[in-house]
Amino acid sequence: EVQLLESGGGFVHPGGSLRLSCAASGFTFTNYAMSWVRQAPGKGLEWVASISGGDGNTFYADSVKGRFSISRDNSKNTLYLQMNSLRAADTAVYYCAKDRVVRGVMGAFDYWGQGTLVTVSS
Amino acid sequence: DIQVTQSPSSLSASVGDRITITCRASQSISSYLNWYQQKPGKAPKLLIYAASSLQSGVPSRFSGSGSGTDFTLSISSLQPEDISAYYCQQSYSTPFTFGPGTKVDIK
Repeated sequence: EVQLLESGGGFVHPGGSLRLSCAASGFTFTNYAMSWVRQAPGKGLEWVASISGGDGNTFYADSVKGRFSISRDNSKNTLYLQMNSLRAADTAVYYCAKDRVVRGVMGAFDYWGQGTLVTVSS
Repeated sequence: DIQVTQSPSSLSASVGDRITITCRASQSISSYLNWYQQKPGKAPKLLIYAASSLQSGVPSRFSGSGSGTDFTLSISSLQPEDISAYYCQQSYSTPFTFGPGTKVDIK
């Protein structure tokens, strides 16, 4: 059974940093691209970043480029999101999500974690 | 960036009704269009990928169609458990973009 378990969310002041983790199990982690998608309170879904499985190519939304960094440790079956220079607009539930097919970053997400809340406020 | 719009933003229908949600992309995205269902407080769930392919385990009352710029999600017979928000998403190119969502409830 595929499971994705996020952690690392919490409260942070503007300008601060947080690192989110997503522990994956139930599939061959290294074969699949992984992504982060966020949802601000009461709002819709926003894609944040993706990373391919084998070669680790990364892709970012303009809203986080230069501030966030997606990475993965295939030996630990874990996905990360390092978030720096956080802003109030980054307040959201952050989901990790698995790509549906064994290929590059294809962008159809068949499994999602339960989400972790990040709150940025002074 | 490819913009994705949805209509309606909300709808109310009776149990057993057929409902249709429309999604439009700002440029042709071939069939790189996915649909998700999200219940309150829960993670999204993939319903349809590649415009018309039903994800494993999803009831057959859900169907998708379209290509290019115009797409639809249909529920052939609305059930109480279908009360949710529905989002379309283009996966043609990054940044992957989601529609603003359609909230479905029971009349």
